[in-house]
Amino acid sequence: QKEVEQNSGPLSVPEGAIASLNCTYSDRGSQSFFWYRQYSGKSPELIMFIYSNGDKEDGRFTAQLNKASQYVSLLIRDSQPSDSATYLCAVNSSGGSYIPTFGRGTSLIVHP
Amino acid sequence: GAVVSQHPSRVICKSGTSVKIECRSLDFQATTMFWYRQFPKQSLMLMATSNEGSKATYEQGVEKDKFLINHASLTLSTLTVTSAHPEDSSFYICSAGGWNEQYFGPGTRLTVT
Repeated sequence: QKEVEQNSGPLSVPEGAIASLNCTYSDRGSQSFFWYRQYSGKSPELIMFIYSNGDKEDGRFTAQLNKASQYVSLLIRDSQPSDSATYLCAVNSSGGSYIPTFGRGTSLIVHP
Repeated sequence: GAVVSQHPSRVICKSGTSVKIECRSLDFQATTMFWYRQFPKQSLMLMATSNEGSKATYEQGVEKDKFLINHASLTLSTLTVTSAHPEDSSFYICSAGGWNEQYFGPGTRLTVT
């Protein structure tokens, strides 16, 4: 059973701070890693993907991947109240399958 | 990113009737589409994988005769909830794949009365 684990939260950070969201996965052969943002009552929106070890930056978002530790994280710099949402980690495993495994999501609250 | 649409966005139907939900990839061809269901404050649950021109692959516990999926073209997949019951009320979301990443439709909120 391939598993993707996230702390459900809520993670509460003040406006302007760095929010750090974490995700671990069980399949060591996983190839691709994704972060989705889901506002309440809406469908998920892809915000970042990462395939290689290290950091990948896009605006205020940085995805970090450590395959040896089976760990992927998302950092949000200068957090804004509009970043308040649930963040879903998704992992595509090995074997050419394009069926992603989703974590249960971490709820982020950015308070003014 | 790629655009995926769903129709209708909201539907209310009576118990025992059937409801069809359409999912379209607007600016790319999707050989594979996915159907998810999400209950309030719960995580996404994959229902089935829809492949163009072939039968859908259903996840364990999902009744294939109740949730009919048709993927007739590279840009359209449909989910029909047959003989709907109040417990089928949920948020149904489709997604379509690029090479690797998935793009979600806006979802359909189904209420069965």
